[in-house]
Amino acid sequence: QGQLVQSGAEVKKSGASVKVSCKASGYNFPDYDIYWVRQARGQGLEWMGWISSYNRATKYTERLQGRVTMTTDTSTSTAYMELRSLTYDDTAIYYCARGWKLKWLDPWGQGTLVTVSS
Amino acid sequence: QSALTQPASVSGSPGQWITISCTGTSSDVGGYNSVSWYQQLPGKAPKLIIYDVATRPSGVSNRFSGSKSGNTASLIITGLQTGDEADYYCGTWDNSLSAWVFGGGTKLTVL
Repeated sequence: QGQLVQSGAEVKKSGASVKVSCKASGYNFPDYDIYWVRQARGQGLEWMGWISSYNRATKYTERLQGRVTMTTDTSTSTAYMELRSLTYDDTAIYYCARGWKLKWLDPWGQGTLVTVSS
Repeated sequence: QSALTQPASVSGSPGQWITISCTGTSSDVGGYNSVSWYQQLPGKAPKLIIYDVATRPSGVSNRFSGSKSGNTASLIITGLQTGDEADYYCGTWDNSLSAWVFGGGTKLTVL
């Protein structure tokens, strides 16, 4: 079935960077993509981008282009999302999710709260 | 503003049924049979409950079903239970944006 376990909560200063990890288990990591989605408090889901675990191809939302980098480490079945030049508006819960051919996202990680303070 | 349009809230009584709509364009909902739905219980991560418009993953109750007509997809929940109270999101790939898009989410209240 698969499971994704994310790294713990982070508190960062404005202007800093954050790197969130997402460790996969229970399935063949290269066979699926990893999507990253964030959710600000009380708001809806915002897609950030995806990375192919097979060939590391990436696609980022235009809104975050230049500030976000997604990577994978096949040897440890772990995906990473780094977001730079943080602002207060980046305060949110960040989720990773396994994706299949642009069709669905399942399962999701438990979420990582990133808080940006001034 | 989300790319896909959902009602902000719906409500129903236990045992009744409700429908949540998800309206897009021919570049997303109308262009592919790949609409998926996600249930987010309070304080939890989203969970896939419908994919490919109308397919239920293993373990998801058959009280949940999906359909699509033109540029609008729908999630139908029958036999409402208090445990169904959650936020529901639709999602699909938008070929014109080359981006995954979500609806704004619908809060279901079971009165």
